[in-house]
Amino acid sequence: SSELTQDSAVSVALGQTVRITCQGDTLRSNYASWYQQKPGQAPLLVIYGKNDRPSGISDRFSGSTSGNTASLTITGAQAEDEADYYCYSRDSSGLHHYVFGTGTKVTVL
Amino acid sequence: QVQLQESGPGRVKPSETLSLTCTVSGGSISSYYWSWIRQPPGKGLEWIGFIYFSGSTNYNPSLKSRVTISVDTSKNQFSLKLSSVTAADTAVYYCARMLDRGTYYPLEYWGHGTLVTVSS
Repeated sequence: SSELTQDSAVSVALGQTVRITCQGDTLRSNYASWYQQKPGQAPLLVIYGKNDRPSGISDRFSGSTSGNTASLTITGAQAEDEADYYCYSRDSSGLHHYVFGTGTKVTVL
Repeated sequence: QVQLQESGPGRVKPSETLSLTCTVSGGSISSYYWSWIRQPPGKGLEWIGFIYFSGSTNYNPSLKSRVTISVDTSKNQFSLKLSSVTAADTAVYYCARMLDRGTYYPLEYWGHGTLVTVSS
């Protein structure tokens, strides 16, 4: 089982805001990064670190962390934001090992 | 723009060794960390391991006994070998470049992925 737990699915009305969470003790001391994956495509990095976005990623995406929970917020969700989202971080071993979250399916209504 | 391309057999027989290569273009393999990730059909992502361009490696403990990742800087490639495969190893395999942020390393560039099916 994954050390990073996410809700399996969330839905959001077009233009509204949705927050996706990722829980795990490792997040108390390690940053998460977030990946968007659309059907048949490779994952795409959307948020990393405290709240950094790669070039070309919409500013609708933002990230934050509190305690053992990392969050990805989509503000003003668009139809093209419908996808699976995964968090990713170092695991709790203290070694340079990594783990993905269980994934969240976001549906835009 | 950095591009990664996975290549290798699409089908491997049970108990044999899965071998994949990731070719990096648009940039040097040097001075970066490089990862392999896989995704079984309809399931989530699993980190397999990574290699630094110098050759140092780190593997997922659950796969460590069967995994070898190597690098060939002269060809700008890195490779994955997974031994003693079973049907549970059927997955899309991705290679990715890790962004060095000092204490954390997000996966900034990904290949398109290649499906490997374990079947006799």
